[in-house]
Amino acid sequence: AQSVTQLDSQVPVFEEAPVELRCNYSSSVSVYLFWYVQYPNQGLQLLLKYLSGSTLVKGINGFEAEFNKSQTSFHLRKPSVHISDTAEYFCAVSDHNAAGNKLTFGGGTRVLVKP
Amino acid sequence: DAGVTQSPTHLIKTRGQQVTLRCSPKSGHDTVSWYQQALGQGPQFIFQYYEEEERQRGNFPDRFSGHQFPNYSSELNVNALLLGDSALYLCASSLVRLNTGELFFGEGSRLTVL
Repeated sequence: AQSVTQLDSQVPVFEEAPVELRCNYSSSVSVYLFWYVQYPNQGLQLLLKYLSGSTLVKGINGFEAEFNKSQTSFHLRKPSVHISDTAEYFCAVSDHNAAGNKLTFGGGTRVLVKP
Repeated sequence: DAGVTQSPTHLIKTRGQQVTLRCSPKSGHDTVSWYQQALGQGPQFIFQYYEEEERQRGNFPDRFSGHQFPNYSSELNVNALLLGDSALYLCASSLVRLNTGELFFGEGSRLTVL
């Protein structure tokens, strides 16, 4: 079984400041890793994904994440946030060996960007 | 290119009633998954359909059932509704041969059970 822990439920941050959202996972097998964003009253949109290769992954809207296998982490960062980045962010994992595309999500981190 | 579409967007039911939610996958996708997102929580996997059959199922009771049609669209049915079934129900589509876990989500159907 897999699990995902997002260590911060809420992160307030000032506009143009950097932000880091922490994600740790637990799995007995190799995984694919994802960050999704959910804007108010909307579905989930893929920000970025790690499937293989370089451990530093760049996504949309200036976000990036680093896969650290030894620490089983996949933290999300943005060097300078905008008001429009106010949203909920979900880390998710998918098992390489599982049949089909099934995701296990963390509980989410709510980012509030203040002017 | 149409993305994932879900209907209805909002609905209100009372305890004990039944509800059917509908989903059309992104064009070209053949697999549909359903997730339940309770308020303030991450999405939880309900089940997945491929080739009109339930392929995987999460830890949800039999009150939750589904169907996939030949055109790949899908329905989620919930019987004997409980207050705790109030949630955002998300449909996600994917292509089975791209077994990487990447999903495309609809905007969800928000169910309120009174």
